[in-house]
Amino acid sequence: SQQGEEDPQALSIQEGENATMNCSYKTSINNLQWYRQNSGRGLVHLILIRSNEREKHSGRLRVTLDTSKKSSSLLITASRAADTASYFCATDRGGANNLFFGTGTRLTVIP
Amino acid sequence: KAGVTQTPRYLIKTRGQQVTLSCSPISGHRSVSWYQQTPGQGLQFLFEYFSETQRNKGNFPGRFSGRQFSNSRSEMNVSTLELGDSALYLCASWTGQGASDTQYFGPGTRLTVL
Repeated sequence: SQQGEEDPQALSIQEGENATMNCSYKTSINNLQWYRQNSGRGLVHLILIRSNEREKHSGRLRVTLDTSKKSSSLLITASRAADTASYFCATDRGGANNLFFGTGTRLTVIP
Repeated sequence: KAGVTQTPRYLIKTRGQQVTLSCSPISGHRSVSWYQQTPGQGLQFLFEYFSETQRNKGNFPGRFSGRQFSNSRSEMNVSTLELGDSALYLCASWTGQGASDTQYFGPGTRLTVL
């Protein structure tokens, strides 16, 4: 079963704009990870945020985590056409050795 | 370091056949997990192997099985294929020890069952 959901399910923006995707989950976690998937390909790891962290940055990516609301957000600043992909959040449900994925957000960046 | 590799990348089979997929983890990683991705069910966990032992298992029928070798390479097998087994199969690796950590995925094997 899915751990949670991302919203929106689909997002279309112009190049240069910022994109924000949200993820909600259902159980306690040790960490939450964001992945990117280009059409039909493998998952590329973007960032991991631990349950005791509130915000993390990596290049143009900013991830926040609110464990009280069981939610996380991924912000991509100054988006590029190459950012067009599906984005998934995944959690470990408090220590499992496998990941539980959300439903994904399909981001389209229009040049 | 080389990334996670999966072979073959594409596979076409017919109903009733069986299939074996292979995954080579990142060097030094001892945990390999398998996931199935379909448009309807999304990404679902199949099973995880650590040091040649199945450590976790998802909710899939017994037709899905796997194993891990002493060099940490893993294979998964699906017997008596059904149309619904058509999916992208992804494997992921991490060190497998300590607190859960970043898992790195391979490019996947696209299985089509006719």
